Amino acid sequence: GENVEQHPSTLSVQEGDSAVIKCTYSDSASNYFPWYKQELGKRPQLIIDIRSNVGEKKDQRIAVTLNKTAKHFSLHITETQPEDSAVYFCAARDGNKLVFGAGTILRVKS
Amino acid sequence: GAVVSQHPSRVICKSGTSVKIECRSLDFQATTMFWYRQFPKQSLMLMATSNEGSKATYEQGVEKDKFLINHASLTLSTLTVTSAHPEDSSFYICSARMPQGSNEKLFFGSGTQLSVL
Repeated sequence: GENVEQHPSTLSVQEGDSAVIKCTYSDSASNYFPWYKQELGKRPQLIIDIRSNVGEKKDQRIAVTLNKTAKHFSLHITETQPEDSAVYFCAARDGNKLVFGAGTILRVKS
Repeated sequence: GAVVSQHPSRVICKSGTSVKIECRSLDFQATTMFWYRQFPKQSLMLMATSNEGSKATYEQGVEKDKFLINHASLTLSTLTVTSAHPEDSSFYICSARMPQGSNEKLFFGSGTQLSVL
């Protein structure tokens, strides 16, 4: 089955700087990769996703890149703000279900 | 995005009792729902896939008789933790998949914090 690894586990950045979180997956058949943001005690919220037929997708300050050959995808947040502080999870679709990475705690210092 | 409602948000129960958690898709019909368990500062661990009108598919290591799942309608799935023990204390969260268009998108319920005394 699919295995998703996520790095780093924690990330601290200064407000206004960029943050990058990286994930690798093992199953070359996976074709859908969403990113979720989870604030403490709350539900994960889908923030961006990408399908394997594109290499990059952008939504305002958030972008995701996908390298199918290397089997890795990354989340890029530019101009970070304190409200971006949360846990971020990447995921890859494995058949009927999603397999999640271990998560990254992002802290944006003001 | 789509709305998934989960109740209760928090439950405290005595050891040996059973607890039922409900997951509802409010503005769409979900043929498939998923149940996850999340420990503090850890990732989402898939417990089972709930299919409307059929038996749930459990992940390896998850006890079927311990975690009963029922998906009786296109908008409701329930998870019952039977004979709960302190080690069952955790954050349980459901998700539902949009059946049309972007059918990969998963939307999550607000989660249920279960504490077993």
